[in-house]
Amino acid sequence: GAVVSQHPSRVICKSGTSVKIECRSLDFQATTMFWYRQFPKKSLMLMATSNEGSKATYEQGVEKDKFLINHASLTLSTLTVTSAHPEDSSFYICSARRLAGVQRADTQYFGPGTRLTVL
Amino acid sequence: GESVGLHLPTLSVQEGDNSIINCAYSNSASDYFIWYKQESGKGPQFIIDIRSNMDKRQGQRVTVLLNKTVKHLSLQIAATQPGDSAVYFCAEAYFGNEKLTFGTGTRLTIIP
Repeated sequence: GAVVSQHPSRVICKSGTSVKIECRSLDFQATTMFWYRQFPKKSLMLMATSNEGSKATYEQGVEKDKFLINHASLTLSTLTVTSAHPEDSSFYICSARRLAGVQRADTQYFGPGTRLTVL
Repeated sequence: GESVGLHLPTLSVQEGDNSIINCAYSNSASDYFIWYKQESGKGPQFIIDIRSNMDKRQGQRVTVLLNKTVKHLSLQIAATQPGDSAVYFCAEAYFGNEKLTFGTGTRLTIIP
């Protein structure tokens, strides 16, 4: 199956600092990537859709100035949590969409996730 | 708003038995549905999907059933193994949009 990587897998930072998380599709090109947030024992919550070469589309309630997304190439999207606070601590997961063709279900492949802990 | 949900939050099954994980959805306009498996500390892993114009699809040891009349989706895992222990999510999506709406998840525990 397709491979999506995330880096780092874990990060601990002080309150007020910014943290960048990378999401890479390793064996296919992805014009669209997605960023999710997951709290313990909860489902995945879509934060934003990352579009290569254009601005990300944020879900309602997600602060775009807080969670900066850049999709600079067909294989890389980055999520920067700016001025992180303890409430930003969470498991952040990206996915990359591999196109299947017209009227066929695209498949989203997920990265392994990044555990962010803000002290 | 529209949502995808699960009937049971936890399920324990004896190793070797079959398991059935259920999901109720409310958006009848969704084009396809997907099942994901998530192990602890990892990202979701694609298991199987089914288009809305189908009612059954089989994979390796897994079968997904779709009942559009009652808006119900199920994942059947045959001859469960310890490695099947995980949280299983159903999700729905549209062609051309591809944003996934996830259900709440069911934790499946395989008892040796």
